Amino acid sequence: QSALTQPRSVSGSPGQSVTISCTGTSSDIGGYNFVSWYQQHPGKAPKFMIFDVSKRPSGVPDRFSGSKSGNTASLTISGLQSEDEADYYCCSYAGSSVVFGGGTKLTVL
Amino acid sequence: EVQVVESGGGLVKPGGSLRLSCVASGFTFTNVWMSWVRQAPGKGLEWVGRVKSTGHGGTTDYAAPVKGRFTIFRDESKNTMDLQMNSLKTEDTAVYYCTASEVGATPNYWGQGTLVTVSS
Repeated sequence: QSALTQPRSVSGSPGQSVTISCTGTSSDIGGYNFVSWYQQHPGKAPKFMIFDVSKRPSGVPDRFSGSKSGNTASLTISGLQSEDEADYYCCSYAGSSVVFGGGTKLTVL
Repeated sequence: EVQVVESGGGLVKPGGSLRLSCVASGFTFTNVWMSWVRQAPGKGLEWVGRVKSTGHGGTTDYAAPVKGRFTIFRDESKNTMDLQMNSLKTEDTAVYYCTASEVGATPNYWGQGTLVTVSS
């Protein structure tokens, strides 16, 4: 199972919105509504921000939203804040396995 | 409060074995799928394998790079999951995270990770 494809980096200024894409295949993203997104700060464990494509766990700000179209999922962060600077990973159920994206580094300018 | 805590990491020679343990609390262990995810130094996340909940058969699945070398065990009486790693290779060097999936079919809760270094 190949990794999902994410841009290596994105950036935005405080208050702006950014969108991170995650492209897979019909065997993972396109075949199931089990896409999640994780935020990872340096030296820390990942934290789950979105599950089941667009649902937010309790405690995650509504500035974070997820969506999916075909084989591509997206994470949008609105009203960027400095603490949003981190690595972001997408993840999809793929039947007998789970596959992660390569990660996207978000820089808040 | 949800807690997931790994232990057992360390330095091991190529070809050697190591067993990691994970203890979880704060949710109904019997209902969740448990997984191991690893992260090599400076690299991204890589799914290692999982054990489904008892209600889903308690079966295991593994990523291709570790299949046949790694085995996951689940103990419902202790709320624990172990990862037995045999025939270790230098490319298995990584921080290993224990994760739990209470909602959805992908990891929700993560431990802090335990470092495994395979080196001569």
